Amino acid sequence: EAAVTQSPRNKVAVTGGKVTLSCNQTNNHNNMYWYRQDTGHGLRLIHYSYGAGSTEKGDIPDGYKASRPSQENFSLILELATPSQTSVYFCASGPGVSNERLFFGHGTKLSVL
Amino acid sequence: AQKVTQTQTSISVMEKTTVTMDCVYETQDSSYFLFWYKQTASGEIVFLIRQDSYKKENATVGHYSLNFQKPKSSIGLIITATQIEDSAVYFCAMRGSSGSWQLIFGSGTQLTVMP
Repeated sequence: EAAVTQSPRNKVAVTGGKVTLSCNQTNNHNNMYWYRQDTGHGLRLIHYSYGAGSTEKGDIPDGYKASRPSQENFSLILELATPSQTSVYFCASGPGVSNERLFFGHGTKLSVL
Repeated sequence: AQKVTQTQTSISVMEKTTVTMDCVYETQDSSYFLFWYKQTASGEIVFLIRQDSYKKENATVGHYSLNFQKPKSSIGLIITATQIEDSAVYFCAMRGSSGSWQLIFGSGTQLTVMP
């Protein structure tokens, strides 16, 4: 079974601070994704990556940056965190085929005060 | 633009009955892929079942099956012989075949199975 690990599991940040959410996958998947989940919106795509060195904007990229330094790691960066970014963030990976199923991490609950 | 809509916010059923959750989608792609995912109370999200648009047969996995009605752009999830542990939020999702790897999710349906 594919393993996707997110850290931290919970994070409290201050407005204006920098936040980095990390994701590691051990299945050599090409594609990785960052989603946020808010009540009433389901899962919305922030950034994704096709492989090391690549990042692409999803549906709601404003206020977020992403970094894919290696096949295994994909980070989501909030340079200047705002309370509106309080949410649960999920990382996922997929093998890189059009009908791929995604494997999700357990989520990071971020509170920006 | 692609869109996935789940109009049922929540459903309650008795254990051992059959439930259907609705999902409609919008896409301009001639070929696309439809998925259902389950989110448990702990927050874990797992893949359940997939339907490829070019396949006429409805997908079935265990006690999950799909009702794919392509002319109506509809992909319903059917759970037979429901169990307490089926209580969860179910998300419908879609990916088109033209370029982007984006998987678009619906807003989810909360299923409660009562003893």
